[in-house]
Amino acid sequence: ELKVEQNPLFLSMQEGKNYTIYCNYSTTSDRLYWYRQDPGKSLESLFVLLSNGAVKQEGRLMASLDTKARLSTLHITAAVHDLSATYFCAVDTDRFNSGGSNYKLTFGKGTLLTVNP
Amino acid sequence: DGGITQSPKYLFRKEGQNVTLSCEQNLNHDAMYWYRQDPGQGLRLIYYSQIVNDFQKGDIAEGYSVSREKKESFPLTVTSAQKNPTAFYLCASSIRRSSNVYGYTFGSGTRLTVV
Repeated sequence: ELKVEQNPLFLSMQEGKNYTIYCNYSTTSDRLYWYRQDPGKSLESLFVLLSNGAVKQEGRLMASLDTKARLSTLHITAAVHDLSATYFCAVDTDRFNSGGSNYKLTFGKGTLLTVNP
Repeated sequence: DGGITQSPKYLFRKEGQNVTLSCEQNLNHDAMYWYRQDPGQGLRLIYYSQIVNDFQKGDIAEGYSVSREKKESFPLTVTSAQKNPTAFYLCASSIRRSSNVYGYTFGSGTRLTVV
């Protein structure tokens, strides 16, 4: 059974500081996604990482993927209050290894990020 | 504009009632999914469907049922057998994937509360 573990689950940081959220997963994955969720809202797609060594950046957020270590990171640079939200990683796998016809997303529990002034 | 529409946004269920959550997409996506979200639990997969007239159980299917009679629609029924249905429910869809076609679209969610 695929397990996706995020840490930390709660993160309180000051504006201007840097921090990293970690996402470990237990089996081979085809893709890894990062999502943002604001309270009471749906998911907003941030990044999709396709291959080992992939790095993507958008504003103050940068995501990377190490498939050998089964680890993805979401790095926050010089945090601002607007980044306060819950961040999820999700692993996309072909559940029955059926050649791309039976994919599903398995999510971590999320990291609640609070950026304080 | 293409997207996924979930309705209603808020739903109240009495004890012992069945309720149905609607999910409709006009993206021509093949696969559709239902997730349940509880505080601190992340999103857990209830059911998913890769093609019309076929669906599979996810990790927490007990107390739920689905149908996929049309490509565009994937309604979720929360039955009276689901003892703790209060949660936020998200529907998603994705195109049936080849190696370079991927991505998921999520609806805006339905918040179900037992009263």
